[in-house]
This record gives sequence, structure tokens and C-alpha cells, in this order.
Amino acid sequence: DSGVTQTPKHLITATGQRVTLRCSPRSGDLSVYWYQQSLDQGLQFLIQYYNGEERAKGNILERFSAQQFPDLHSELNLSSLELGDSALYFCASSPGGTANTEAFFGQGTRLTVV
Amino acid sequence: AQKITQTQPGMFVQEKEAVTLDCTYDTSDPSYGLFWYKQPSSGEMIFLIYQGSYDQQNATEGRYSLNFQKARKSANLVISASQLGDSAMYFCAMREITSGTYKYIFGTGTRLKVLA
Repeated sequence: DSGVTQTPKHLITATGQRVTLRCSPRSGDLSVYWYQQSLDQGLQFLIQYYNGEERAKGNILERFSAQQFPDLHSELNLSSLELGDSALYFCASSPGGTANTEAFFGQGTRLTVV
Repeated sequence: AQKITQTQPGMFVQEKEAVTLDCTYDTSDPSYGLFWYKQPSSGEMIFLIYQGSYDQQNATEGRYSLNFQKARKSANLVISASQLGDSAMYFCAMREITSGTYKYIFGTGTRLKVLA
């Protein structure tokens, strides 16, 4: 158990809909990262938050948004969903800053858009 | 720009043999970390091993070792005495420290199949 909790584990929704993925980081970790993994692909970095503030942005679509709340949990919002958004979405956390530790991953949310 | 390259989409290895998975990276940051993760078919991401850019010795963790060649910007993962349970996707990742973002960037992965 990495200590990172993602909900839900599975999500099936229709095109055009909006969903919210939730992530609770490991206790004490200030940084949260979101990644998208399409079928048999690598992990695409979407966005990073550190202590409530956006720190870095990757190839995140304008239809996607995220935030990190004061209690450090994070949500990734995906709107106007398309078939191509079907993927495994990972949240990871780390202490952040200059501490060079590994990122701890949640189990992922498997999103299927039909 | 920060970049990780894994040139082997797939690899086969015989059980009990050693295998090397290649990873090269590109960064102008003098301080960075290199990581390897394993992703079995169940999907979770399992951390295997870490190497810091200033570490003088190659990292080892059980059957995993990291062949770090800084001048060549390579960080190959060596798995000794392969087991059937090692069949999985393996991802190399890098994290820059002094750039200020501290994000982890991943390579495209290598799918390893261990043969009985």
C-alpha cells in the first residue's frame, strides 16, 4: 500500500459528460502529480501541485482542470469527454521540494468513455 | 529540455538469466534523480530503485541494480536471476531538482517477458 488513495477505481461514462477524479496523497506529502496512461502507452504528465499551488503543467487539455485543496487532497476534472480520453489516470505524491525521493502512486482510476 | 528515452519496446529473457533494460536521459540540471518503476498487468506502479546524480556508486536493491554512466547520460536497469513474476512493463523516470518544478518525467517503457 503506497498510502495514496484514488477514487473511484473504475468509471464508465458517456461522451460529452464531466467526471471528477479524487486523490488523497500520502500523509505529509505536499506535492501531487497527475498522469494519464492510455492503452499500452507511457505515463503522460498532466499537472503538478505543491501545497495548494500549481507548480508545473504538462500536456493537459483545456477541457481538463485540477486543483489541490487546503487539506492537500486533489481533484482532476475532465469535461466534454471524448472516446480518446479513455485511459488510466494516476495520481502520485511526494514530499516535494528538494527532497529526492520516489513518487508514490495510487492504484489509478480507469476511465472508460463510451 | 528534460527527456527520458527507452529504446526497447519489448524484451525477452529466460528465467534465471540476467537482463538489462536501457534508459538514456537528457537534462541540463546538475542535480537530478533517476528512478525505475515496474508496472505489472494489474496496473499499479511499483517503485524499484533510485539513483541520485551525485551518487558515486551504482544503486542496488536486491536483484535490481542501476548501471549509472553519468557521462553517457544512461541509467540502465539490470535485473539478475529473472523470475516469472518479473514479467511487466518497466519505466525509467527522471526528476530535476534545481529547475524548480520537481516533476517526474517518464520514458515510454519496456515490456519484459520472462520465459520459463
